[in-house]
Amino acid sequence: DVVLTQSPLSLPVTLGQPASISCRSSQSLVDTDGTTYLNWFLQRPGQSPRRLIYKVSNRDSGAPDRFSGSGSGSDFTLKISRVEAEDIGVYFCMQGTHWPRTFGQGTKLEIK
Amino acid sequence: EVQLVESGGGLVEPGGSLRLSCAASGFTFSNTRMSWVRQAPGKGLEWVGRIKTKTDGETTDYAAPVKGRFIISRDDSKNTLYLQMNSLKTEDTAIYYCTQYSNWGQGTLVTVSS
Repeated sequence: DVVLTQSPLSLPVTLGQPASISCRSSQSLVDTDGTTYLNWFLQRPGQSPRRLIYKVSNRDSGAPDRFSGSGSGSDFTLKISRVEAEDIGVYFCMQGTHWPRTFGQGTKLEIK
Repeated sequence: EVQLVESGGGLVEPGGSLRLSCAASGFTFSNTRMSWVRQAPGKGLEWVGRIKTKTDGETTDYAAPVKGRFIISRDDSKNTLYLQMNSLKTEDTAIYYCTQYSNWGQGTLVTVSS
């Protein structure tokens, strides 16, 4: 199975400051069709996950533009330009290229 | 507005069975591949399985820990996704979400315990 390794696992951030989460894959996530199926989700406390980014860098409707995704191959990053209070929760990356689908272990963002 | 509403969770003894349902609305369910994802208490997300559309043969894929015990099916006439869980183990205890990834249900809790 493809292993997704996120870092850091805990991310204390000051409000208004930027934040960055890394997701590294044990294999390339480039599919045979040339597309890279790497998603980012946020799970706020007590809530269901919500997708923020799909196919590396495409922002879902309703996802604030302070969120951006980048990367290629097996190395990906989620960036928050200026952290707001509503951004607290656990962030997961997930790959949709290989079977079975797999998730990263999660990065908990908290406010300092 | 897209809505996914899971039901059918509860307490079941090891070795028992349970069927979860997910009622979908707000989108063309019959054209959408659907997945189940679970989350053990205090843990991360684990992909369970997926079903393709009828057009794609309703093909299913499963994660290794549930393969041969869980069955995903769909009833497009009812806009409903199902997860039949057999031979349940204590490690299957989790919140089960139905999802098309861009949208998620609220989840239903399955507890496997004697």
